[in-house]
Amino acid sequence: QVHLVQSGTELKKPGASVKISCKASGYTFTSYAIHWVRQAPGQSLEWMGWINAGNGNTKYAQPFQGRVSFTRDASATTAYMELSSLTSEDTAVYFCAKELIVVVGAAFDFWGQGTLVAVSS
Amino acid sequence: SSELTQDPAVSVTLGQTVTITCQGDSLRIYYASWYQQKAGQAPVLVIYGKNKRPSGIPDRFSGSSSGNTASLTITGAQAEDEADYYCHSRDSSGYNYVFGTGTEVTVL
Repeated sequence: QVHLVQSGTELKKPGASVKISCKASGYTFTSYAIHWVRQAPGQSLEWMGWINAGNGNTKYAQPFQGRVSFTRDASATTAYMELSSLTSEDTAVYFCAKELIVVVGAAFDFWGQGTLVAVSS
Repeated sequence: SSELTQDPAVSVTLGQTVTITCQGDSLRIYYASWYQQKAGQAPVLVIYGKNKRPSGIPDRFSGSSSGNTASLTITGAQAEDEADYYCHSRDSSGYNYVFGTGTEVTVL
């Protein structure tokens, strides 16, 4: 069965960077994109972008461009998300999610358990 | 527009039917998917495409679409359906993804 397992809670100072990992198993890693989504406390879900796990191509949501980087290690079936210049506004739970290929639409069929990133001085 | 708008909260009596709606211009072009999220947990996909349910999702969950509005219906709501529900689709450009504002469902 498909599993996405993320790295643990991160406590960061303002201005720092954070790198989260997402270890995938149970499917052909290189055949599906991995998306990153975050959720601030009490807020809705916010899409951050995706990485093509096959060729490493990326697409970043406009609010995060220049501050976020997605990478992957296909041999380790692991995707990574790095976010820099952190502020308290970046305090959120960060999720990775596997894309389900949908004609004329979008869906993420499996999600990681989430990683809490808390930014505080 | 890149926004998907949902009612903040709805309630339903145990065993009755509730419909949650999601409005957005991009829904005239793209299907919405729907996620259930319980407190402290990751979202779970319940509906995608043209009313498709992933394996393990009860058939009391169904989806539909008309114009710029997508709907999720729970027919015969159960206590365990109490959760936040989010719609999800692409924006009008097709290159970006967007989530709805979320609906809190309470089962009375």
